[in-house]
Amino acid sequence: AQSVTQLGSHVSVSEGALVLLRCNYSSSVPPYLFWYVQYPNQGLQLLLKYTTGATLVKGINGFEAEFKKSETSFHLTKPSAHMSDAAEYFCAVSAPLSNQFYFGTGTSLTVIP
Amino acid sequence: EPEVTQTPSHQVTQMGQEVILRCVPISNHLYFYWYRQILGQKVEFLVSFYNNEISEKSEIFDDQFSVERPDGSNFTLKIRSTKLEDSAMYFCASQQDRANGYTFGSGTRLTVV
Repeated sequence: AQSVTQLGSHVSVSEGALVLLRCNYSSSVPPYLFWYVQYPNQGLQLLLKYTTGATLVKGINGFEAEFKKSETSFHLTKPSAHMSDAAEYFCAVSAPLSNQFYFGTGTSLTVIP
Repeated sequence: EPEVTQTPSHQVTQMGQEVILRCVPISNHLYFYWYRQILGQKVEFLVSFYNNEISEKSEIFDDQFSVERPDGSNFTLKIRSTKLEDSAMYFCASQQDRANGYTFGSGTRLTVV
């Protein structure tokens, strides 16, 4: 079975500071991992994904995430926060042979000017 | 960039009425999904659809729900007799293959009164 835990439902950072959003997963098989962003009143937009290969994956808007199997983690980072990064971020896991995605409860990112 | 289109963006309906939520997935995608997000809660899987049939469904997707791909382009979710607790944001998604993330639509906000 697959599941995702996002630690911290709300994260606040200053503009220009490091963004770190935490995601830990549980999976009985090698997982596919995803981060999505949701801006107010909009749908979910794919930020980045890990399926196989390089464990450090780069996404849109300067975000990246590293798959760490030993820690069962897939934390999302960005070196320097921008005001436009304020949104809800969802981590998701799926098993390679499954259609279904399991989403975390989301982390709301606030960027303080 | 190809998009998943959902209509309407907002629907208000009376309890007990039938509603149909419409989605136009990306044309060369093969897998189609409905998810919902009750206000303040996580994104929940409802159903996946492949090769003109349901491939997976969750416990939420009971007999009141049905999906259809009537004409090769539209993908609809029908709720036969709406309940207050069906009020949520409903997201349609499509996927080219399992190694790729979903492309989500911008959602339909369903309000049952």
